[in-house]
Amino acid sequence: EAGVVQSPRYKIIEKKQPVAFWCNPISGHNTLYWYRQNLGQGPELLIRYENEEAVDDSQLPKDRFSAERLKGVDSTLKIQPAELGDSAVYLCASSSERELFFGEGSRLTVL
Amino acid sequence: AQSVTQLGSHVSVSEGALVLLRCNYSSSVPPYLFWYVQYPNQGLQLLLKYTTGATLVKGINGFEAEFKKSETSFHLTKPSAHMSDAAEYFCAVSPSNSGGYQKVTFGTGTKLQVIP
Repeated sequence: EAGVVQSPRYKIIEKKQPVAFWCNPISGHNTLYWYRQNLGQGPELLIRYENEEAVDDSQLPKDRFSAERLKGVDSTLKIQPAELGDSAVYLCASSSERELFFGEGSRLTVL
Repeated sequence: AQSVTQLGSHVSVSEGALVLLRCNYSSSVPPYLFWYVQYPNQGLQLLLKYTTGATLVKGINGFEAEFKKSETSFHLTKPSAHMSDAAEYFCAVSPSNSGGYQKVTFGTGTKLQVIP
């Protein structure tokens, strides 16, 4: 069974540039999460999807962050424009029976 | 409300020595508790979880954890450390309420170093 797939693994951009991350969850998992992990910290939830509906986006900075999950499968997280403080690892996860399955993450460096 | 406190951001042990990583939680309702491991440049992987029943939970790679309600703790142990155990470990908590979504809250992590 394929795991959660994320791309790109690494991205370096200059501030004010846009960036997008893509996630393909485990087949059959209806719930998809985007987390942000700052250096030396645990993951913090940005947004949660149930199928194609964003049911918890209270922690998503909506002025610059957006996400979508068309057709309830793949998801994209976008930042526009990026700021220096956005440097972090962006983790996608899907879940089954309370267990979270994480992708390898997308490491963003904003210069 | 729920939270997790992991004591010690860095722990060093010798190869073959006991591993003990500490986790205390706070939850207004009975919790589900988890330990995840993160190897360098990888995502998190579930080591073990406590939901209900036996308070001593065994996980992968020889790790186990014991849920102690009176101490609000869920410490992770392994009798003998191996070099491959070097990684970062995250304790997490979610409410045990059935039905609907239950948010998982992570601790700040403990980085385990294993010395040859």
